[in-house]
Amino acid sequence: AQKITQTQPGMFVQEKEAVTLDCTYDTSDPSYGLFWYKQPSSGEMIFLIYQGSYDQQNATEGRYSLNFQKARKSANLVISASQLGDSAMYFCAMREIDFGNEKLTFGTGTRLTIIP
Amino acid sequence: KAGVTQTPRYLIKTRGQQVTLSCSPISGHRSVSWYQQTPGQGLQFLFEYFSETQRNKGNFPGRFSGRQFSNSRSEMNVSTLELGDSALYLCASSSGGGANTGELFFGEGSRLTVL
Repeated sequence: AQKITQTQPGMFVQEKEAVTLDCTYDTSDPSYGLFWYKQPSSGEMIFLIYQGSYDQQNATEGRYSLNFQKARKSANLVISASQLGDSAMYFCAMREIDFGNEKLTFGTGTRLTIIP
Repeated sequence: KAGVTQTPRYLIKTRGQQVTLSCSPISGHRSVSWYQQTPGQGLQFLFEYFSETQRNKGNFPGRFSGRQFSNSRSEMNVSTLELGDSALYLCASSSGGGANTGELFFGEGSRLTVL
């Protein structure tokens, strides 16, 4: 079974609209972390936002917010007021402890294209 | 605070050669992990080093190796290069404080092309 599932291979969104990128995860550990990264064509993996499994409130970072629904094992990224520079690949990732070792698993990514 | 630095950014090698990539983590971070990214396989975990010890390893052949120095800088080496080793190699830096900590930052990557 996939640990991290991103069901949207690609999305097209009009500039200035809000966009939601889906991410579901699978783990039996109580302690884990969820990350979203943006990867532009240059290749760099840019950290966007983090949500810890024990965090009571949804994480927010500027225009980015994470809609964390623990019971549904869902960690969707919401980008408000999208901009042309938001066009990139977006990866959801989960970090957990596996037999004492940290393990980071990535989803397959969503390619977001912002249309002017 | 300086970010994660990877060198070289781009390199071209031929089959059978070997390559060494370098990663300098964020100051104070003791954990460095390496990932291979290809269009077909996505992001795959190679290995993680913490305080000069390999703490975790992915499913890659022995041609892929790494090490970490006392200043937390890490190198990975690929010997006897194959065409399929062409990829973007990403290094990630963290404090190593556990799964529930938010610090995990990547470098810009080293793009390797094997001819």
